[in-house]
Amino acid sequence: DTEVTQTPKHLVMGMTNKKSLKCEQHMGHRAMYWYKQKAKKPPELMFVYSYEKLSINESVPSRFSPECPNSSLLNLHLHALQPEDSALYLCASSYYSGTDTQYFGPGTRLTVL
Amino acid sequence: EDQVTQSPEALRLQEGESSSLNCSYTVSGLRGLFWYRQDPGKGPEFLFTLYSAGEEKEKERLKATLTKKESFLHITAPKPEDSATYLCAVERGANNLFFGTGTRLTVIP
Repeated sequence: DTEVTQTPKHLVMGMTNKKSLKCEQHMGHRAMYWYKQKAKKPPELMFVYSYEKLSINESVPSRFSPECPNSSLLNLHLHALQPEDSALYLCASSYYSGTDTQYFGPGTRLTVL
Repeated sequence: EDQVTQSPEALRLQEGESSSLNCSYTVSGLRGLFWYRQDPGKGPEFLFTLYSAGEEKEKERLKATLTKKESFLHITAPKPEDSATYLCAVERGANNLFFGTGTRLTVIP
């Protein structure tokens, strides 16, 4: 089973709202990722957690705040977003041992009004 | 600077018409090259990982190959359900995937 789940599937929020995206995997993976994908563009890495510690932050604005409460769960807290932040947000996970395959979830389609 | 370039940008094939997609890369110290398939509005689906020049992997109608500068994804006798965007990615550091812009494949019945 290589399933990564993400909730919600769709989210519409105003620029003053606070919301959270959730990602879950039960494959025993110890690395989890957030990517942002704009229309007709490839996924762009935002954050990497390995063993529940933030290991990569690709210079993402502070209005995006990641959290990894345990090895199976990854959250992305959103606050004061801009319309240009509207995108498909993808979560992925992998074993953390060298070059590991990343398995992606279905994504959350975010629209910021 | 790391670069991943995929060509063509879009490809239309008749059902059964075989072809190849190209992924050219420039990265210091390739750790792995990945192929994914992505349907509209969905997450990328893993296809293959290649680690060293000369390596080949196959799955159903797809075959991926790797040289020191590029990778090819060969599609043999494609079917309409093979229509998708095919993404190539290189690992440029532990857990750090860098994606190409993809090839949008349409297979016409």
